[in-house]
Amino acid sequence: NAGVMQNPRHLVRRRGQEARLRCSPMKGHSHVYWYRQLPEEGLKFMVYLQKENIIDESGMPKERFSAEFPKEGPSILRIQQVVRGDSAAYFCASSPNLDQPQHFGDGTRLSIL
Amino acid sequence: AQTVTQSQPEMSVQEAETVTLSCTYDTSESDYYLFWYKQPPSRQMILVIRQEAYKQQNATENRFSVNFQKAAKSFSLKISDSQLGDAAMYFCAYRSTYTQGGSEKLVFGKGTKLTVNP
Repeated sequence: NAGVMQNPRHLVRRRGQEARLRCSPMKGHSHVYWYRQLPEEGLKFMVYLQKENIIDESGMPKERFSAEFPKEGPSILRIQQVVRGDSAAYFCASSPNLDQPQHFGDGTRLSIL
Repeated sequence: AQTVTQSQPEMSVQEAETVTLSCTYDTSESDYYLFWYKQPPSRQMILVIRQEAYKQQNATENRFSVNFQKAAKSFSLKISDSQLGDAAMYFCAYRSTYTQGGSEKLVFGKGTKLTVNP
């Protein structure tokens, strides 16, 4: 059973461009979470989704950031008009239900030039 | 809102010895989950151990065990017979058991960097 798959592993963007980060949860997992890790910091929650629904986006900036988890395909975290402060590692996690622990992908390291 | 505090930014241990990493948390809830995650230089987040707050027995996973003190809101991780491969960042995390929207997220501490000396 493959783990949580994130791609790309590394993403470089110039200021003002768009960044799209993808996450395929583990097979059978319908709960997806996105976290951001700034240098020397712990992970901070951004958004929690179930298939086609955003359940909790309380940790996501109101502007420029959006997330989706369509019926078919991976979950996407989209950052529009990126700025230097968006440079971080973005982790996706999934779980089959709320009683099971979250399993993490290897993360996407986003660098903004 | 819940908070998790790891007061030791860095710790070191000699190979084969035992080390304890500290974690305290703040919550008004009576039932919740606590976790320790390991993040090696490869940046993977690996679940080390999990504890349900309603269970009085401390969780153990091979060389890893916890000391869960609910009244003190303390959740320390003990690593016995430390190995070079244990070197990593260790994060303590909290999660509510309530299923209302917004409570399923993990709340992480800032981490403790563990160095294992040969």
